[in-house]
Amino acid sequence: EVQLVESGGDFVQPGRSLRLSCSTSGFTFGDYAMSWFRQAPGKGLEWLTIIRSKVYSGTIDYAASVRGRFTVSRDDSAGIAYLQMNSLKSEDTAIYYCTRDIVQVGRNWGPDYWGQGTLVTVSS
Amino acid sequence: DIVMTQSPVSLPVTPGEPASISCRSSQSLLHSNGFNFLNWYLQKPGQSPQLLIYMGSKRASGVPDRFSGGGSGTDFTLRISRVEADDVGVYYCMQATQTPRTFGQGTKVDVK
Repeated sequence: EVQLVESGGDFVQPGRSLRLSCSTSGFTFGDYAMSWFRQAPGKGLEWLTIIRSKVYSGTIDYAASVRGRFTVSRDDSAGIAYLQMNSLKSEDTAIYYCTRDIVQVGRNWGPDYWGQGTLVTVSS
Repeated sequence: DIVMTQSPVSLPVTPGEPASISCRSSQSLLHSNGFNFLNWYLQKPGQSPQLLIYMGSKRASGVPDRFSGGGSGTDFTLRISRVEADDVGVYYCMQATQTPRTFGQGTKVDVK
């Protein structure tokens, strides 16, 4: 059974940093791209970043809203994805989800599995 | 960025009746293999999103065959043949053809 479990969410002051983790099981982690999304209270879903499988280039993309502040990484041996968040702002307050991408015919087709999410609150 | 436009924003439904949600993209989502980079997700109250339809028309594992996805290019539809009470929540379409991946604004489905 595929499982994604986020952790690391917390209450932090503006300007501080936080690192989220996404621990996975039930699949060969290194074969899949992993993404992070977030959902602000009462709002829709926002894509943040993708880190592709090293099998398919290993490249990384970021949303403009987090580029330069957030850094995604992966530990294929441990099956964990990370999201390092620096210079946090109040508008970063949200539930953060990690996801696994569908892979078919050598392309990523968007998430199939989502974690339960972890809450990040940025406030003074 | 690709803009995704969903309609309606709110959809009251009657159990046993059909329902449909429309999603339009500002650019074509069609892959050369004939499938589209378009997924449908349902977020039930208090839960994470769950995949319903991927590649435009493929039902995800465990999704009832009451759900179907259609369309191609820039116009897509999610259909529920017979709505059940458990289908309530917010439905999102999402494009995966390029980054940033973008969502429709969501369609809130509730029972009349």
